[in-house]
Amino acid sequence: DVKVTQSSRYLVKRTGEKVFLECVQDMDHENMFWYRQDPGLGLRLIYFSYDVKMKEKGDIPEGYSVSREKKERFSLILESASTNQTSMYLCASPTPDNTEAFFGQGTRLTVV
Amino acid sequence: GEDVEQSLFLSVREGDSSVINCTYTDSSSTYLYWYKQEPGAGLQLLTYIFSNMDMKQDQRLTVLLNKKDKHLSLRIADTQTGDSAIYFCAETSTSGTYKYIFGTGTRLKVLA
Repeated sequence: DVKVTQSSRYLVKRTGEKVFLECVQDMDHENMFWYRQDPGLGLRLIYFSYDVKMKEKGDIPEGYSVSREKKERFSLILESASTNQTSMYLCASPTPDNTEAFFGQGTRLTVV
Repeated sequence: GEDVEQSLFLSVREGDSSVINCTYTDSSSTYLYWYKQEPGAGLQLLTYIFSNMDMKQDQRLTVLLNKKDKHLSLRIADTQTGDSAIYFCAETSTSGTYKYIFGTGTRLKVLA
């Protein structure tokens, strides 16, 4: 019954490394989102994609990029990881009628 | 821009009702949602309400929407220890792209 899968639950990376977070959905949805979740700040939208090769910046895109080469896969890239990118990252994909967004289990990234 | 606000914490006794409140700014909101996040997990949809409704009931959950004041609430009747979680209010609109905007989350603690 898995709908949205994130490749890693936990990651530890060094400052300056290039980091890839992968998200795959099996629902053939057009839209996919990447959020980061921090205590007291809720979920903040980093990037979203509404079609293959299409992307738009969310509220906090600085330091991140994304890739959507195939409909089912949406990757978040940290070009040069920094300690302030230590966070929980959540991928989501909503139904076409927007009545529900399905979330992955999250990736807790620690940058040391 | 759009903003969704919630109080950060709520503590109730088992068996009491819980009321979690949310305010939003986007007057073109189409759907408003309540999501639940249990420890170490992604978000799961609890319920949603369309913006032309003012109330929705689903078993122990009652959602009230005051569109004039841009206020949304979630009432959980007969709160149980299993209801302890973070609850997120979210909204999306048909203006522009279908972004989901989330609140900061309310951590509900149920005392036995």
